Amino acid sequence: NAGVTQTPKFRVLKTGQSMTLLCAQDMNHEYMYWYRQDPGMGLRLIHYSVGEGTTAKGEVPDGYNVSRLKKQNFLLGLESAAPSQTSVYFCASSRTGGNYGYTFGSGTRLTVV
Amino acid sequence: GESVGLHLPTLSVQEGDNSIINCAYSNSASDYFIWYKQESGKGPQFIIDIRSNMDKRQGQRVTVLLNKTVKHLSLQIAATQPGDSAVYFCAENRGSNYKLTFGKGTLLTVNP
Repeated sequence: NAGVTQTPKFRVLKTGQSMTLLCAQDMNHEYMYWYRQDPGMGLRLIHYSVGEGTTAKGEVPDGYNVSRLKKQNFLLGLESAAPSQTSVYFCASSRTGGNYGYTFGSGTRLTVV
Repeated sequence: GESVGLHLPTLSVQEGDNSIINCAYSNSASDYFIWYKQESGKGPQFIIDIRSNMDKRQGQRVTVLLNKTVKHLSLQIAATQPGDSAVYFCAENRGSNYKLTFGKGTLLTVNP
């Protein structure tokens, strides 16, 4: 069982470039999340989805877009990358949202220069 | 425990000692709590959880204690090993149907 798979693992972007981070889960979970993790800041929720075809904003959504066209996939897009978006991005999934633990992916380390 | 700022709280222990990592929460509506372990360069990994109708829950070498009166959560690791070196952070459900709220973490270093 793969759990939650994130691609790519590392990426360097130039300011203004766009990219998409892919998250795939094979546990048939309804809920999926995108977080960013910065030193001393903990995990901050960017966007989340409570089911296929639905998305919602988290704490820090500006500069990001998401899509959940298929239940198993949750895509995070950066429209025009900025140095402030340099971070480690984690995807997570959950069976029932806040009442059970999340399963996290291994992360994508993004550097914007 | 948790703190605001660029540097994580740290706990340094000797191999074989017991470790206690603390987490304070402020929301009385929080009814579900989880401890995660995050090793360097990896994603957070579920360790143990506890619901608010319990005070204590034990796993393999780990125990979580919940004190609802003072809104305090702790993770005890018995016979700490070098492989336990990681950042540990707590998460809570503040009465939400869809999300958890994460603390900033404590860095545990185990000295051989």
